[in-house]
Amino acid sequence: EPEVTQTPSHQVTQMGQEVILRCVPISNHLYFYWYRQILGQKVEFLVSFYNNEISEKSEIFDDQFSVERPDGSNFTLKIRSTKLEDSAMYFCASSQTAGTGELFFGEGSRLTVL
Amino acid sequence: KNQVEQSPQSLIILEGKNCTLQCNYTVSPFSNLRWYKQDTGRGPVSLTIMTFSENTKSNGRYTATLDADTKQSSLHITASQLSDSASYICVVIPYNTDKLIFGTGTRLQVFP
Repeated sequence: EPEVTQTPSHQVTQMGQEVILRCVPISNHLYFYWYRQILGQKVEFLVSFYNNEISEKSEIFDDQFSVERPDGSNFTLKIRSTKLEDSAMYFCASSQTAGTGELFFGEGSRLTVL
Repeated sequence: KNQVEQSPQSLIILEGKNCTLQCNYTVSPFSNLRWYKQDTGRGPVSLTIMTFSENTKSNGRYTATLDADTKQSSLHITASQLSDSASYICVVIPYNTDKLIFGTGTRLQVFP
């Protein structure tokens, strides 16, 4: 069964360092998303991406964040200069259609900022 | 403000018993409401998707209901199994967006 894969599963970094989280969405999906979940809190929307551009982003997704689909298969989330409060589980998701389409989540990348 | 609240926060039941989880939302208008299962440290997995015009949707032992007038939804789990131990999250998608608004979740523990 096709699945969304994410790497790394866990990354530890120093505050101020750049981090890139990688995702391989399901191959025939067109809509891509990043969500995050701070430990003990609910999942929060970060950004949606379609047709090689951001379609929607939340207030969390500030200038420190960027997304890219560099090669037609990977979908990356870059945090330019990490802060302690960026420590969270980051989930990538993809869907074939927007709105009512089923969303498939990856297993997540746990980011720990020290 | 668009919010999704769930109750109870946590629930303990014995294997084989049924349970019902509640969701109240203020998102309006919305296009669809979903229930997800999330195992600890894993990604959410979709259980049911209901549009605003649907009242009920089943997926095996899971049955979701929706009352758009009172802005309430419930997830009923029948004949619980140990593997049902997880967080169950109610998610609402506002109209004209594909941004999911997640609820706080109900942590279910099933004991033998």
